[in-house]
Amino acid sequence: QSALTQPASVSGSPGQAITISCTGTSSDVGGYNYVSWYQQHPGKAPKLMISGVHNRPSGVSNRFSGSKSGNTASLTISGLQAEDEADYYCHSYTGSRPLYVFGTGTKVTVL
Amino acid sequence: QVQLVQSGAEVKRPGASVKVSCKASGYTFTSHDIDWVRQATGQGLEWMGWMNPATGNSDYIQKFQGRITMTRDTSISTAYMELSALTSEDTAVYYCARVVSGSFDYWGQGTLLTVPS
Repeated sequence: QSALTQPASVSGSPGQAITISCTGTSSDVGGYNYVSWYQQHPGKAPKLMISGVHNRPSGVSNRFSGSKSGNTASLTISGLQAEDEADYYCHSYTGSRPLYVFGTGTKVTVL
Repeated sequence: QVQLVQSGAEVKRPGASVKVSCKASGYTFTSHDIDWVRQATGQGLEWMGWMNPATGNSDYIQKFQGRITMTRDTSISTAYMELSALTSEDTAVYYCARVVSGSFDYWGQGTLLTVPS
C-alpha cells in the first residue's frame, strides 16, 4: 500500500482560497468515505480538521471544507489566514492491511 | 476533556528496545482503538498499527512485524508501544492517537526517540 499522493507545496495570499488534493486508489480513498485531513504546525502534534470526507469537528473553522471525487479527495481552505500556514496530511481507511494510509503531506505557505 | 499523555523523550543504543506509554483520560478507554504514528525529522506521518483496548487485539504494518508490540493496561487506561532491535532509522517522534469512525480525533503530545548511529 503506497502513501496517498499530495502536492508538496501550495501557496496563496491572505483571503484567497486554496485546494489541496489527495490521490489514492479504489482500495482506499475511492473505496470508503473514511478520508480525514490533519493540520500540523512545526513541533506540534497533528490536529484533525476534517473527518469522513467532509465533516468538521467541533471548533474547526468553517473555512475548512473537504470533498471527494473518485479516487481523489480535496481540502479547501477559504479566506486564507496567516495561522493556516502549516503542513497538511490526508489519511484514508483501506479496509485491509495496512488498515490506514497517510498522504505524503503538503506545506501550505501564506504569502 | 479527552487527553492522551505520552511518556517522555528517550535515547536508546542501537539494538535496544523502547516502550512508550500513552495514558488516556476523559473517556472510556476501552471504547476506541488506539493507533500509533511516527514521524522522522522533516518527514511525513507514518501509520504503524492499531490496538483495540477492549480485546487487546492489535496489528502492525509489515515493516515492523516481529519487532513491535502494542499492549494496554485497562486498569490505568494506558496503551503501550514497544519497539525492539532499534536502529538509527527508528529515530522519530512517536504519537498515539484515538480512533473514532476512521479518524484520529485526539493525539498524544508525541515522544521523541533518538537512536544515535
